[in-house]
Amino acid sequence: AIRMTQSPSSLSASTGDRVTITCRASQGISSYLAWYQQKPGKAPKLLIYAASTLQSGVPSRFSGSGSGTDFTLTISCLQSEDFATYYCQQYYSFPYTFGQGTKLEIK
Amino acid sequence: EVQLVESGGGLVQPGGSLRLSCAASGFTVSSNYMSWVRQAPGKGLEWVSVIYSGGSTYYADSVKGRFTISRDNSKNTLYLQMNSLRAEDTAVYYCASQRTDDAFDIWGQGTMVTVSS
Repeated sequence: AIRMTQSPSSLSASTGDRVTITCRASQGISSYLAWYQQKPGKAPKLLIYAASTLQSGVPSRFSGSGSGTDFTLTISCLQSEDFATYYCQQYYSFPYTFGQGTKLEIK
Repeated sequence: EVQLVESGGGLVQPGGSLRLSCAASGFTVSSNYMSWVRQAPGKGLEWVSVIYSGGSTYYADSVKGRFTISRDNSKNTLYLQMNSLRAEDTAVYYCASQRTDDAFDIWGQGTMVTVSS
């Protein structure tokens, strides 16, 4: 199975900050990578697919980049509603696998 | 409105069985890839199974031989039959559609499965 490793595991930031979360795959996955946001008690929400394509309805302050093994999710100007846990996920091969999550907290 | 609604979760003893349902509205289950993803309490996300539009199915090793994914086209509903349940199967189970480049674009609200004696 392809292992997905996110860093950092947790992150403290303030409203208005720019933050970056990284995701590394244990082998090349081309651009078959998605990013999700999850708030407590809620289902995950798709933010980015194909590594860099913004899902419809997602604010443009979210962006994704990368291909192969190294990927990033950037939030350009944090809003209060962005404090949540973020997961990357590869859908290049079975089993689909997720990163362990990055919890974004208010500083 | 595009929506997925799960049901069927509950408390079951180890070794028992449960069938989860996921009713779709606003799109056709049989025309899309559909998956089940679970999340153990306080843990991350784990993909469980997928059914392709053509009917092919795939499973995580942790559930292979015990869980079966299926769908009823007339009811536009996805199912997960879970047999020989173990304590480690305790989780919130989500169904998700893969209409967008195979990423999980629509998720249900989740249904809790607790395996305990």
